Amino acid sequence: EAQVTQNPRYLITVTGKKLTVTCSQNMNHEYMSWYRQDPGLGLRQIYYSMNVEVTDKGDVPEGYKVSRKEKRNFPLILESPSPNQTSLYFCASSFGFNRGKMYGYTFGSGTRLTVV
Amino acid sequence: TQLLEQSPQFLSIQEGENLTVYCNSSSVFSSLQWYRQEPGEGPVLLVTVVTGGEVKKLKRLTFQFGDARKDSSLHITAAQPGDTGLYLCAGGAGGKLTFGQGTILTVHP
Repeated sequence: EAQVTQNPRYLITVTGKKLTVTCSQNMNHEYMSWYRQDPGLGLRQIYYSMNVEVTDKGDVPEGYKVSRKEKRNFPLILESPSPNQTSLYFCASSFGFNRGKMYGYTFGSGTRLTVV
Repeated sequence: TQLLEQSPQFLSIQEGENLTVYCNSSSVFSSLQWYRQEPGEGPVLLVTVVTGGEVKKLKRLTFQFGDARKDSSLHITAAQPGDTGLYLCAGGAGGKLTFGQGTILTVHP
């Protein structure tokens, strides 16, 4: 089954304790992205990657890191989490662009992170 | 940052009614997508529109992309309780996909 798999689904952690949220896709997609979803603010892009070893900042990159060493994986790293990073996080992937038009995303099921 | 504004934010209707959700921006997008999200799950792609003036139909859902590619609408005919969910529009440009804040639709039996 074609899918984007995120782990964990739920995570409660303490301020300052480094954590990684994993994301893997099995569709050979070139484009991957991380979003956070907050009430009243919608989905905001954190980072995206157009291909292996190519990453770029989205609209809210502060406090986050990503890496794209393999095509299928795109982990999200919080080096020193803070309470304002409590949110619902989504990983998504797509085939990217064709003549300037963007293909649709396939989203993971989300990771609900609470930082206390 | 390109902004997409959706309206209305909340919509509560009875089964069988028609409705329209709007997605507007001051920016031009190369393509525009609509997603539906249910509680506890990630958004699911409904449609992508790429040409100004384009109209796409998906059963009782009709999607339209504005002539200037700055706005879009989603029209649902004869809404059903199964249509309940969060509807999101998203515009693509410059390697990024920007989402609107969403419209929460509730269809009562």
